Amino acid sequence: NAGVTQTPKFRVLKTGQSMTLLCAQDMNHEYMYWYRQDPGMGLRLIHYSVGEGTTAKGEVPDGYNVSRLKKQNFLLGLESAAPSQTSVYFCATGSGGYPQETQYFGPGTRLLVL
Amino acid sequence: AQTVTQSQPEMSVQEAETVTLSCTYDTSESDYYLFWYKQPPSRQMILVIRQEAYKQQNATENRFSVNFQKAAKSFSLKISDSQLGDAAMYFCAYRSLFDNFNKFYFGSGTKLNVKP
Repeated sequence: NAGVTQTPKFRVLKTGQSMTLLCAQDMNHEYMYWYRQDPGMGLRLIHYSVGEGTTAKGEVPDGYNVSRLKKQNFLLGLESAAPSQTSVYFCATGSGGYPQETQYFGPGTRLLVL
Repeated sequence: AQTVTQSQPEMSVQEAETVTLSCTYDTSESDYYLFWYKQPPSRQMILVIRQEAYKQQNATENRFSVNFQKAAKSFSLKISDSQLGDAAMYFCAYRSLFDNFNKFYFGSGTKLNVKP
């Protein structure tokens, strides 16, 4: 099993360009999350989804959109990239079944916006 | 939203010695979970240890243990017999039991260096 995968691993964008980050999971988890990690700030929640067709805003949603058309995929979109969106992006999943459960993280996508 | 604070941006320890990483959090809730994650240079997030707030006994996983002080809202991680492979970023995280969406709140991280 691949677990949680993220595509691409690294990307360079110019200001104003758009792109979509893909998170895919084969764990049959209902819950999926997108975080961004910045130096000195830890991981901050951008958006999350508790099931196919549902999404919700996290702490730092501005400038991002998400979609969960299929249970196994969670897409994070940047419509018009800004240098402030330079970051490492992590996807995570969880079954939501029990409170002590960890979240399962993908390997991260490093995004550089010039 | 709950806040999680890691006041030590970077720490160093000699191989085979013991080091303690600090974490404090702010919450008005009575029950919750706390986690420590390790992030090596590969960037993969690895669960190290977890603790439920209503359990008074401190969690232990091999060389890793916690000192959980509920009244002080403190959750420190002790690494005994430090190894070179322990060098990584360590994140403390909080999870409410009253949150149906299982959201985690992370601290800013502590970078641990292990000296041979």
